[in-house]
Amino acid sequence: DTGVSQDPRHKITKRGQNVTFRCDPISEHNRLYWYRQTLGQGPEFLTYFQNEAQLEKSRLLSDRFSAERPKGSFSTLEIQRTEQGDSAMYLCASSSHEDQGSRSPLHFGNGTRLTVT
Amino acid sequence: QKEVEQNSGPLSVPEGAIASLNCTYSDRGSQSFFWYRQYSGKSPELIMSIYSNGDKEDGRFTAQLNKASQYVSLLIRDSQPSDSATYLCAVRRDNFNKFYFGSGTKLNVKP
Repeated sequence: DTGVSQDPRHKITKRGQNVTFRCDPISEHNRLYWYRQTLGQGPEFLTYFQNEAQLEKSRLLSDRFSAERPKGSFSTLEIQRTEQGDSAMYLCASSSHEDQGSRSPLHFGNGTRLTVT
Repeated sequence: QKEVEQNSGPLSVPEGAIASLNCTYSDRGSQSFFWYRQYSGKSPELIMSIYSNGDKEDGRFTAQLNKASQYVSLLIRDSQPSDSATYLCAVRRDNFNKFYFGSGTKLNVKP
């Protein structure tokens, strides 16, 4: 069990640029989540996948955000035309549907810290 | 109304004391409850989960759940300076796969 892996750890970009983050979940986990966290706040739900299907997307997520999980393995989160308000920690987490069913907790990666200048 | 409410703190306790952290949630359909610890600049780390009313103990940690009052708490006995962190309460409703997080309570344990 190598845990949830995220890349890059840090990203500094200029406003208007596009950025893409990658998440590799725990290998036997079929659910993958993206959360965003700003200073002093708890993680805020963005979207989640069960296998390759994106089952829910937050209404707070603008159309500049898109996520994919091809083949139900790793996932990418892309932000187009970044804005300063996108600066945050982007957290990926995974959980297992089979393990403990609905009781399975989230296991987080180390996060990607995005700074938009 | 937020799904999960926590006092932001900071909560300061002396080393060796009991730290008590509290959380309330709004949806009575919630069935699974989790406590995460988050050190500054790091990602959340799961420390406890609880699903049934009552207490659940794991080492120095005790989680308490009262579904009638929609209240979850975490007790940390013999608090250590290394326990200084932000503690996040998370709630999951059955039939929904989203986890809702509180804004966290910052705990400071003074040597």
